[in-house]
Amino acid sequence: ELKVEQNPLFLSMQEGKNYTIYCNYSTTSDRLYWYRQDPGKSLESLFVLLSNGAVKQEGRLMASLDTKARLSTLHITAAVHDLSATYFCAVDIRYGGSQGNLIFGKGTKLSVKP
Amino acid sequence: DSGVTQTPKHLITATGQRVTLRCSPRSGDLSVYWYQQSLDQGLQFLIHYYNGEERAKGNILERFSAQQFPDLHSELNLSSLELGDSALYFCASSEGDPGFGNYGYTFGSGTRLTVV
Repeated sequence: ELKVEQNPLFLSMQEGKNYTIYCNYSTTSDRLYWYRQDPGKSLESLFVLLSNGAVKQEGRLMASLDTKARLSTLHITAAVHDLSATYFCAVDIRYGGSQGNLIFGKGTKLSVKP
Repeated sequence: DSGVTQTPKHLITATGQRVTLRCSPRSGDLSVYWYQQSLDQGLQFLIHYYNGEERAKGNILERFSAQQFPDLHSELNLSSLELGDSALYFCASSEGDPGFGNYGYTFGSGTRLTVV
């Protein structure tokens, strides 16, 4: 069974602190996505990681992908309140199996407090 | 605005009824994907259409069906609705045929379905 596991599922941080969200997946894939979702809103694409060792950074967020370990991380640096949201990782199994669908983790609900 | 348009934004209907959700992909995108987001199941892939043809099916119930029209818009039909079908239904689009190139997915704002 294909699984994408995120941890933690809930994260309460203080502003200015650093933290990492982990995403483990059970299938072969070299394409992984990170999305942000605000309550009741759509999914906003943050990062697309396309190969082993890929690292991307945008502002206070940095994502990486290790396809051998089947692990992606989303690192938050010096958190600010505006980062409060739910973050999802998703594995694209378009190459490894059936075509063109994303398997999502359960999401990490991040709350950044002053 | 992501460029992916979903209507209606909200829908309240009774059990046993049938509804149709509509999605217009970004201009130039040939692929349309439907996802369901519920509290207990999370985000689940339902079905994928590419240029009018069904390409992949996920956890889509037999009571649900979809199609993609020549103008590339897609409709998701949900019938014999049950309370458990209440969820947020997202449509996403991407540029090309899966398996080629580096294509991302752009999500619409979703349709919130409430079955009472």
